[in-house]
Amino acid sequence: QKEVEQDPGPLSVPEGAIVSLNCTYSNSAFQYFMWYRQYSRKGPELLMYTYSSGNKEDGRFTAQVDKSSKYISLFIRDSQPSDSATYLCAMRPNRGSTLGRLYFGRGTQLTVWP
Amino acid sequence: DSGVTQTPKHLITATGQRVTLRCSPRSGDLSVYWYQQSLDQGLQFLIHYYNGEERAKGNILERFSAQQFPDLHSELNLSSLELGDSALYFCASSDGAVDSGPYGYTFGSGTRLTVV
Repeated sequence: QKEVEQDPGPLSVPEGAIVSLNCTYSNSAFQYFMWYRQYSRKGPELLMYTYSSGNKEDGRFTAQVDKSSKYISLFIRDSQPSDSATYLCAMRPNRGSTLGRLYFGRGTQLTVWP
Repeated sequence: DSGVTQTPKHLITATGQRVTLRCSPRSGDLSVYWYQQSLDQGLQFLIHYYNGEERAKGNILERFSAQQFPDLHSELNLSSLELGDSALYFCASSDGAVDSGPYGYTFGSGTRLTVV
């Protein structure tokens, strides 16, 4: 079992829809949780990060972490065609020799059609 | 432009050859990470350097090696290349101290390696 699981999709939604992207993980040491967006032929860019459990909102984006279920989500409200990209979840522990390393999900490919 | 510079952008080479990928981190960043991204495996961690020292190794093959130089740029050397090494290779750098606080990476735009 991979440490981070993410449904690769693809996910296709109409403009204006609410999008829900999810990841599950198995390592209870993970404390920092991030979402990256990757456009085709580009490097991933950091979208949001959260620490431990709870919600964080930034404009149309909301990140949620449920550590008891080892489940994280990213919600995109009023989705736009420009949101079409691959979304990767990432996480890391708070301690240990691999502190700096991020563990990534495989990414979910999202298409928002006008 | 993310501030992380990777060269070359594209590389086509034959099996058995050796290549070097180069990465310049964002100004002020001390950590450099190398990742391999393939369609079937996603982003796989290769190695992490912090201020010139190796800090962590992932699933990096023995044919691959890396180093970080005093000016903080890093090179990833891939030798005895095989068809399966064809992938996107990303370098990322981070702006936080390794052992404190939340932070995310800043990725470069990658080097697309094709082994024929």
